[in-house]
Amino acid sequence: AQSVTQLDSQVPVFEEAPVELRCNYSSSVSVYLFWYVQYPNQGLQLLLKYLSGSTLVESINGFEAEFNKSQTSFHLRKPSVHISDTAEYFCAVSGAGSYQLTFGKGTKLSVIP
Amino acid sequence: NAGVTQTPKFQVLKTGQSMTLQCAQDMNHNSMYWYRQDPGMGLRLIYYSASEGTTDKGEVPNGYNVSRLNKREFSLRLESAAPSQTSVYFCASSAHRTGPGQPQHFGDGTRLSIL
Repeated sequence: AQSVTQLDSQVPVFEEAPVELRCNYSSSVSVYLFWYVQYPNQGLQLLLKYLSGSTLVESINGFEAEFNKSQTSFHLRKPSVHISDTAEYFCAVSGAGSYQLTFGKGTKLSVIP
Repeated sequence: NAGVTQTPKFQVLKTGQSMTLQCAQDMNHNSMYWYRQDPGMGLRLIYYSASEGTTDKGEVPNGYNVSRLNKREFSLRLESAAPSQTSVYFCASSAHRTGPGQPQHFGDGTRLSIL
């Protein structure tokens, strides 16, 4: 079984400042890792994913995450946030060979003008 | 390009009433899922269907039943609603022809209140 811990429930940050949203996981098998974003009153949208290969993965809107196997982490970063990045972000893990996802409890990112 | 469509979007029920939440996807995905989202709890899997004709329990199945009607449709039924089932319900789907690790695509949710 897998579990996911998102270390911060809320993260306020000023516009154009950098941000890091932390995610740690535990698993006895190799994993696939995902970040999803949820805007108010909407469903979740895939932001980026790590399946294999390069440990640094990027999204089209400037977010990146790095898979760190030794630290069992998959932190999400953006060098300069925009007001439009205000949303809730969920880290999720899937064990190799599984089609199910286990989600963290979410981190609410608030970008302050 | 509707993706995953959930109906209804909002519903208010009285304790003990029953209802069915509908979900349909038009992406020819094999797998479908029902989650509930509660404040501070993230998403918890209720039931999933890895392929047409199969369903399995997730983390929180008690009080719910599901039907995979065909490849497109996956419904969630509350037989006797309880206030603890007040939540936002999300349906999702994913392809797995190329193996696990495929992302899930979500509907916009059904906001259910039980009085």
